[in-house]
Amino acid sequence: EIVMTQSPATLSVSPGERATLSCRASHYISSNLAWYQQKPGQAPRLLIYRASTGATGIPPRFSGSGSGTEFTLTISSLQSEDFALYYCHQYNNWPPTFGGGTKVEIK
Amino acid sequence: EVQLVESGGGLVQPGGSLRLSCAASGFTFSNFLMTWVRQAPGKGLQWVASIKRDGSEKFHVDSVKGRFSISRDNAKKSLYLQMNSLRVEDTAVYYCARDRAQDDAFDIWGQGTMVTVFS
Repeated sequence: EIVMTQSPATLSVSPGERATLSCRASHYISSNLAWYQQKPGQAPRLLIYRASTGATGIPPRFSGSGSGTEFTLTISSLQSEDFALYYCHQYNNWPPTFGGGTKVEIK
Repeated sequence: EVQLVESGGGLVQPGGSLRLSCAASGFTFSNFLMTWVRQAPGKGLQWVASIKRDGSEKFHVDSVKGRFSISRDNAKKSLYLQMNSLRVEDTAVYYCARDRAQDDAFDIWGQGTMVTVFS
């Protein structure tokens, strides 16, 4: 099973600032990685797939990069609605696995 | 509108059973691989099971093999999760999710249904 490790666990950022979230895979996963946003009491929402492609309706301030084992989600200028939990998910190997999440909170 | 709506969650004692359902609308259900993902209270996401478009192949996480079974009825546009021999550690919100047609990211999620196994 591929282990996904997200860092940091919590990221404190001021509105308008840039946020950079990391995700590392224990083994090579090519670009088969997705990022999700989850707010309290809500289901996850797909933000990025194939490591760098924005899902439908996702604002351009969200961008993904990386391949192989190292991945990054960048939120260029944090808006109030962006404070949430973020998960990475690899779907290169069975079983699909998720990272433990990064909470982006208001500084 | 593309939508997934889960139902069937509830309270159950260890060793009990539940059957979760997920009703799909707004898209051609039979064209998509479907998945169940769960989230224990205050915890992260865990893939539980997936089923191919025609139901010919099914995949389950090791911790539920032999106890849970995923199935689907394409005519009814519905996904199911039969959960037997439930354990306290199965307590979670269960989400159904649609796999993207071109890869296996989960692009549509239901609102979730809560399963509580209490002793």
